Amino acid sequence: DQQVKQNSPSLSVQEGRISILNCDYTNSMFDYFLWYKKYPAEGPTFLISISSIKDKNEDGRFTVFLNKSAKHLSLHIVPSQPGDSAVYFCAASRLSGGSYIPTFGRGTSLIVHP
Amino acid sequence: DAGVIQSPRHEVTEMGQEVTLRCKPISGHDYLFWYRQTMMRGLELLIYFNNNVPIDDSGMPEDRFSAKMPNASFSTLKIQPSEPRDSAVYFCASSLGGQHRARGYTFGSGTRLTVV
Repeated sequence: DQQVKQNSPSLSVQEGRISILNCDYTNSMFDYFLWYKKYPAEGPTFLISISSIKDKNEDGRFTVFLNKSAKHLSLHIVPSQPGDSAVYFCAASRLSGGSYIPTFGRGTSLIVHP
Repeated sequence: DAGVIQSPRHEVTEMGQEVTLRCKPISGHDYLFWYRQTMMRGLELLIYFNNNVPIDDSGMPEDRFSAKMPNASFSTLKIQPSEPRDSAVYFCASSLGGQHRARGYTFGSGTRLTVV
């Protein structure tokens, strides 16, 4: 049972345009949401996060939007650059066993064409 | 800071053999996590440690898997005996305190395991 779903395995975007990566979750107990970026042959790297008490968080070209009623979040990249081509993982955290442990989605592969 | 260091980067072994994956977390980090990535299941948490103590190993798939953290700077994940379905990329990650809640983990580069 997937609690965090990234329904689009891949996304292709032209350089300079907006990339929108989507993520849905099922557990209303999640209280922090994170996005990671992963290049081939490397580990995932933390990109941006958002608390469940917020609906938007922005960091440069990256903005994460949270819609709690729909249990949906999205990552916007504007403008997209070829170097953004990577796999993006959505993750959602909740308190479990005294620590906040994230559950990851399966990832969306973003390709930004020059 | 050298980051989280995993070894080996690649491991090819025959079915039935013992495999040991190694991880050195970032100095000072008190949380260490082992993840496995496969096409079918994505990133799965196998086990995590806090201050060298295993906290949750419910993600360890079978008794063939075991993990240890003898000190704050070293952890191992062992598979004995290995099977072809264990083929995956295994990641180690570390974090300081509860910072990973909002700031995420630092992952290593992973070990690609192939069991033939």
